[in-house]
Amino acid sequence: DAMVIQNPRYQVTQFGKPVTLSCSQTLNHNVMYWYQQKSSQAPKLLFHYYDKDFNNEADTPDNFQSRRPNTSFCFLDIRSPGLGDAAMYLCATSRDFDFSNQPQHFGDGTRLSIL
Amino acid sequence: GQQLNQSPQSMFIQEGEDVSMNCTSSSIFNTWLWYKQEPGEGPVLLIALYKAGELTSNGRLTAQFGITRKDSFLNISASIPSDVGIYFCAGQGYGGSQGNLIFGKGTKLSVKP
Repeated sequence: DAMVIQNPRYQVTQFGKPVTLSCSQTLNHNVMYWYQQKSSQAPKLLFHYYDKDFNNEADTPDNFQSRRPNTSFCFLDIRSPGLGDAAMYLCATSRDFDFSNQPQHFGDGTRLSIL
Repeated sequence: GQQLNQSPQSMFIQEGEDVSMNCTSSSIFNTWLWYKQEPGEGPVLLIALYKAGELTSNGRLTAQFGITRKDSFLNISASIPSDVGIYFCAGQGYGGSQGNLIFGKGTKLSVKP
């Protein structure tokens, strides 16, 4: 059974039109992450939540925001998507920051296309 | 900052051949993870390594955590067509950004039946 669930799997939006991607987890993990992955590249961390504490990577554009209303759900909001934001967006979770206890688990991703 | 070099970038092999790929780091890691990603899917964890020198197998896959803590390799024996995908190494270093995994750029594996 899927433990990190991302919806939708494919999302198409228009240039400049806000879009929200969602992630839910059944693992009760403390940490939830959002990554951006462009074609043939490694995943790039955008930000993460430890419980309600938000940590933004230094080079994450302001256009990207996140919300975590409860333990199970985390959202990625792109306020004004540009063509360069077309990518696969991956959600991941971990119990805590010590991966020797339990590594990160990834969802299947949402592929975002910008028209 | 910490960097990971993963090689080779891509491999084209015949079914049945063995495969080897590796990652090296400019600094010490305390955890090495190997993921496989198929087209349109998220990365799936294959093997996790937590101790220097550790050698761990998962079916036809074997991975090792280098003694120096700066490298790791992944071997696939007797490859089959469903091994096709991109293999990523990822590491977590000591004192690094909280929860931040450093990813290699991936090794794209193609298997010819």
